[in-house]
Amino acid sequence: SQTIHQWPATLVQPVGSPLSLECTVEGTSNPNLYWYRQAAGRGLQLLFYSVGIGQISSEVPQNLSASRPQDRQFILSSKKLLLSDSGFYLCAWSVDTGNEQFFGPGTRLTVL
Amino acid sequence: GNSVTQMEGPVTLSEEAFLTINCTYTATGYPSLFWYVQYPGEGLQLLLKATKADDKGSNKGFEATYRKETTSFHLEKGSVQVSDSAVYFCALRAGGTSYGKLTFGQGTILTVHP
Repeated sequence: SQTIHQWPATLVQPVGSPLSLECTVEGTSNPNLYWYRQAAGRGLQLLFYSVGIGQISSEVPQNLSASRPQDRQFILSSKKLLLSDSGFYLCAWSVDTGNEQFFGPGTRLTVL
Repeated sequence: GNSVTQMEGPVTLSEEAFLTINCTYTATGYPSLFWYVQYPGEGLQLLLKATKADDKGSNKGFEATYRKETTSFHLEKGSVQVSDSAVYFCALRAGGTSYGKLTFGQGTILTVHP
């Protein structure tokens, strides 16, 4: 069966520090991968998606970047965190564009 | 562009009460519609879905019908339980070259008291 992992589960970082969140999927090949952010009191916003290794599409201009160095690995990064980067970050995968997305457990990021 | 609007919460109910969470959408073409649930401290889980007009998605006693004429996908449950307390998200996936991207509503917090 397929599983999706995210780490860390929680993270507290100072403003201006770098960020690296990792997401990995097991049990499937060539998944579509997605990063979402859920800010406090708001819905989920799609940040990035990827349909293959090295292929990243950004949905909104922001302080973050994403990379996909391996087929089942998706990394969310920042060189310098802002207070507004605080939120709950969710990674998701799907078999292809026509199927449901499966979400990871999320990472709660607090920037102080 | 595509958008999803959910009724504002939070919603507080007593156990065994009837639940309705309204969801309306704006989209081009013929989107697929979803309800996701997020239990405290966890990620999102798919609750139910409908892929074409008049389809009814159902799971765990929850139901939602894809109404194209009213562009709605309201979530209902006849008798809620304390364990249903969670955040509920309505979402759509547009067709075409959307790469499977989901557009979410803002979420509705449901609290069920014994």
